[in-house]
Amino acid sequence: DVKVTQSSRYLVKRTGEKVFLECVQDMDHENMFWYRQDPGLGLRLIYFSYDVKMKEKGDIPEGYSVSREKKERFSLILESASTNQTSMYLCASSFPIWAGSYGYTFGSGTRLTVV
Amino acid sequence: AQSVTQLDSHVSVSEGTPVLLRCNYSSSYSPSLFWYVQHPNKGLQLLLKYTSAATLVKGINGFEAEFKKSETSFHLTKPSAHMSDAAEYFCVVTSGTYKYIFGTGTRLKVLA
Repeated sequence: DVKVTQSSRYLVKRTGEKVFLECVQDMDHENMFWYRQDPGLGLRLIYFSYDVKMKEKGDIPEGYSVSREKKERFSLILESASTNQTSMYLCASSFPIWAGSYGYTFGSGTRLTVV
Repeated sequence: AQSVTQLDSHVSVSEGTPVLLRCNYSSSYSPSLFWYVQHPNKGLQLLLKYTSAATLVKGINGFEAEFKKSETSFHLTKPSAHMSDAAEYFCVVTSGTYKYIFGTGTRLKVLA
């Protein structure tokens, strides 16, 4: 069964900590994405990557960075966690658009609480 | 520019009755449209997709959606609701770019 795996389901971190959220996919997808999900706001794109070492800012990149050193792994980094980054974080992957719009495959999410 | 509007934030139905979740979209180009479902504390699962083939699309768990270009709609339906259908549903549009635009979600409640 193909999967997108997020390393943690629940995380509690302190304000000012550096936080790493990890995502691994086993589908050989080129594209990988990080979204945050908040009630009433739907999903908002933070960053995406279309190839190893490539990244593009999404709609809300402030306070975040990403790393993609290998095709299967895409990491989201909160440089200095703040309480307004408390949220559900969802990783997704997909084939490139030129291969057809097949949709995303999502991980199960990481619920991050910053205290 | 693309956008998607889910017309109801909450929908309640009785078990065994039909489900209708409404979605309108706006797109400058021929869109691809998707419905995803999210059960509590889970990731999003693809229910069905429209990618310019048949306008009536069948998905998993008995759901289907009809693409109506004249109405710019892509409503999700199911003839008979089951308790396990209680979840949040997201309508998504894309127009040939990497970027998928998500609606704000419709929370479906199924009453026994």
